Amino acid sequence: QVQLVESGGGVVQPGRSLRLSCAASGFTFSISGMHWVRQAPGKGLEWVTFISHDGNNEYYPDSVRGRFSISRDNSKNTVYLQMDSLNAEDTAVYYCAKDAGKKFFDYWGQGTLVTVSS
Amino acid sequence: EVVLTQSPATLSLSPGERATLSCRASQSVSTYLAWYQQKPGQAPRLLIYDASNGAAGIPARFSGSGSGTDFTLTISSLEPEDFAVYYCQHGSSWPRTFGGGTKVEIK
Repeated sequence: QVQLVESGGGVVQPGRSLRLSCAASGFTFSISGMHWVRQAPGKGLEWVTFISHDGNNEYYPDSVRGRFSISRDNSKNTVYLQMDSLNAEDTAVYYCAKDAGKKFFDYWGQGTLVTVSS
Repeated sequence: EVVLTQSPATLSLSPGERATLSCRASQSVSTYLAWYQQKPGQAPRLLIYDASNGAAGIPARFSGSGSGTDFTLTISSLEPEDFAVYYCQHGSSWPRTFGGGTKVEIK
């Protein structure tokens, strides 16, 4: 069965960096696009980024472009989210999600909490 | 950016009743729309994709309809486990966006 396990969350000071990881299993990772989606406490869902199966295409919303960077290692079945210049508005549970047809998200991890606070 | 507006924000119903949730897009998204269910402390789960196709393992009481800018998620007869928050999401352009959610609560 498909499993996505995020790690790397924690408390970080404003302006600092953090890298999240998502280990995938149960499907052919090397042919699947991957996303990160976040959810601030008590709020709705916000899509954060997408990476194509081969890593050649990436997309970001304006809210994180230039600060966040997605990457993947198909030999390790792992996708990463590098987050720089963090601020309080980045506090959220971060989910990785498997891409479905380059449109939707058909499987989700359990999420990892990132708290940006001094 | 496509803005998705969900209504109502909260729907108070009893088990066995029919639930009708709406999602309106600020511009046409064709049929590139999905619905997700999220329960407290859990990740979202894909229910419907391409506006009307049920995801794997989703009960038949969940159905979706619509195209262009107006979409509906219908739960034909609410089961106790259906009380949750529901989000729509479009897949027609970048950035992907979600609606603000509809909470279906027990009346």
